[in-house]
Amino acid sequence: EVQLLESGGGLVQPGGSLRLSCAASGFTFSTYALSWVRQAPGKGLDWVSTISGAGSGTYYADSVRGRFTISRDNSKNTLYLQMNSLRVEDTAVYYCAKDYWGPYWYFDFWGRGTLVTVSS
Amino acid sequence: QTVVTQEPSFSVSPGGTVTLTCGLRSGSVSTSYFPSWYQQTPGQAPRTLIYNTDTRSSGVPDRFSGSILGNKAALTITGAQADDESHYYCVLYMGAGIWVFGGGTKLTVL
Repeated sequence: EVQLLESGGGLVQPGGSLRLSCAASGFTFSTYALSWVRQAPGKGLDWVSTISGAGSGTYYADSVRGRFTISRDNSKNTLYLQMNSLRVEDTAVYYCAKDYWGPYWYFDFWGRGTLVTVSS
Repeated sequence: QTVVTQEPSFSVSPGGTVTLTCGLRSGSVSTSYFPSWYQQTPGQAPRTLIYNTDTRSSGVPDRFSGSILGNKAALTITGAQADDESHYYCVLYMGAGIWVFGGGTKLTVL
């Protein structure tokens, strides 16, 4: 059974930093791309970032490029999101999602999310 | 900037049929965007319903179906049930690792 468990959320001041983690199990971790998708309170889903299975390819939404860094440790089956220069508008539940790449693309499993609140 | 459009809200009667759509503000949605659909109830993680335009995810009832209608992707619920009342999101794969979600549709069953 695929499981994705996010952690690391919390309250941080504007301009601060936070690192999210996503512990994965139930699949061959290094084979699959993984993504972070967020959801601001009362709003829709918003793609944040994706990393390839080997970690060699990273992709970012314009709203976070240069501030957020996605990474993974395939020896620990863990995905990370380093968030710097946080803004109030980054407040959201952050979901970890497992990607399915080729011959078609979609998110096939989701974690339950971790809440990040950016406020002074 | 790519904008994916969805109806903000829709209502359907129990047992009725409803079609939600997923479009592009500029252009047409085709299968090459690999449209997929997700259901989300408040406080819960998204659940994958449909991928690759029209393939149901494991365990999804066959009252949910996906298609391309005209220049949009579509999610049709045939024989709506009370527990189908949820938010529904589509996402398009733009290539080069980039995804764009629609704004979501709040479906009311009443």
